[in-house]
Order: sequence, then structure tokens, then C-alpha cells
Amino acid sequence: GENVEQHPSTLSVQEGDSAVIKCTYSDSASNYFPWYKQELGKGPQLIIDIRSNVGEKKDQRIAVTLNKTAKHFSLHITETQPEDSAVYFCAASKTSYDKVIFGPGTSLSVIP
Amino acid sequence: DGGITQSPKYLFRKEGQNVTLSCEQNLNHDAMYWYRQDPGQGLRLIYYSQIVNDFQKGDIAEGYSVSREKKESFPLTVTSAQKNPTAFYLCASLDGAVSNQPQHFGDGTRLSIL
Repeated sequence: GENVEQHPSTLSVQEGDSAVIKCTYSDSASNYFPWYKQELGKGPQLIIDIRSNVGEKKDQRIAVTLNKTAKHFSLHITETQPEDSAVYFCAASKTSYDKVIFGPGTSLSVIP
Repeated sequence: DGGITQSPKYLFRKEGQNVTLSCEQNLNHDAMYWYRQDPGQGLRLIYYSQIVNDFQKGDIAEGYSVSREKKESFPLTVTSAQKNPTAFYLCASLDGAVSNQPQHFGDGTRLSIL
């Protein structure tokens, strides 16, 4: 069935370094890829998203890249700060009402 | 501000008891979702509703029930048939009228067994 894999499951970086989280999706019809950040005891919050007609998108220190051929997409966080510490989820979906398939999450720790 | 409100934040269930988790949204979204999150795990879909008075089972619907009598509200009942209900429950909504939109999440309800 439809599946989204996410790596690594845990990631520790020094403050100021970059962090990269990679996801792979199985359904080639997927065309929308959001990334969520979940802080402890809170619900996931959208941080950036990308649509299949775009290869890269940036928003300040956060960027997402998409390789449709390989069915890969990645989240890049530059100049990491302690407040970036959280669990990050990638996701994929086909249409607005279609079921969203979430990756298992990456726990990011930024060490001051 | 528009958003999704889940209540209560913490809930305790006794053996054999049904409990209901509330989810209200004022975003005027058509679609609403319930997810279960276990420690260190991703999100698993329990039920979803794309329109009032209609809903579909997700991947782990057994032991749960929902209703969608109003656009703004999508309560989830955890029945006594759910033998392992301890988890973090998340509600989400989506503006399905616009293509490729993200789901908006509430801040969850943590359910534990007494």
C-alpha cells in the first residue's frame, strides 16, 4: 500500500549546523508534500510544503527539495537553533480530500 | 483567531467506560480527521469526514466511533471495545475546496487508563 519512509529517526546537531531529513514515498501519483513540526505536548504545525510542479522551495532557514523521478523529498534546516528541537514529520497526498500519508517522524535535537 | 480546539487536554478512562473527545473548528473547513499517536510513533488515521453527516473509517477504526452533525464539530468516542486506548489523539481539518492544502491540527487530547 501507500507508504512514506523517513530517515533518520533521530538526529542530533550542534547549534549553528545544518540538519537534513529525507523522505521517500511509494505512490507516484502523490503531488503534495507538507512538512510538520511537533513540539512536546502539542499538535503538528505546518512549517513548509511543496507541490509536484516545483523542485525546491525556501523560507528563511528552511528549504525543501523534491525529486519526483526518484520519489524523494528532503527538509533542510540551516543555522539550527535550540528552538528547532522537535519531532518533524513529512507527508504525501494526491488530492485535497485524499488520505495524507505521514512518515514516522524524526526527533531533532539541537545542542547549544 | 481561527483554529481547532480539542478538549479536554487530559482524559482518564475507567475499564468498560466510553469516553468522548471533543474537536471544534472555526476555519469553515469541510473535512475533519482523527489520528492516534503512540509514543515515538507517527500518526495513524482513525476516522475522517469530508462533509456533514458523512464519515469514513481510517486505518485503525475498530473500537472508535464518530459523528458529524455540524460542520464545526467532529467528536470521537473511544468505546470499551478499544482495549488499548492509551495514546495522544489529534484532530485535524482541511479546506478541501482548494487543492493541495495542509491539514490544520489541534493540540491533542492525552487519554490514559485508570
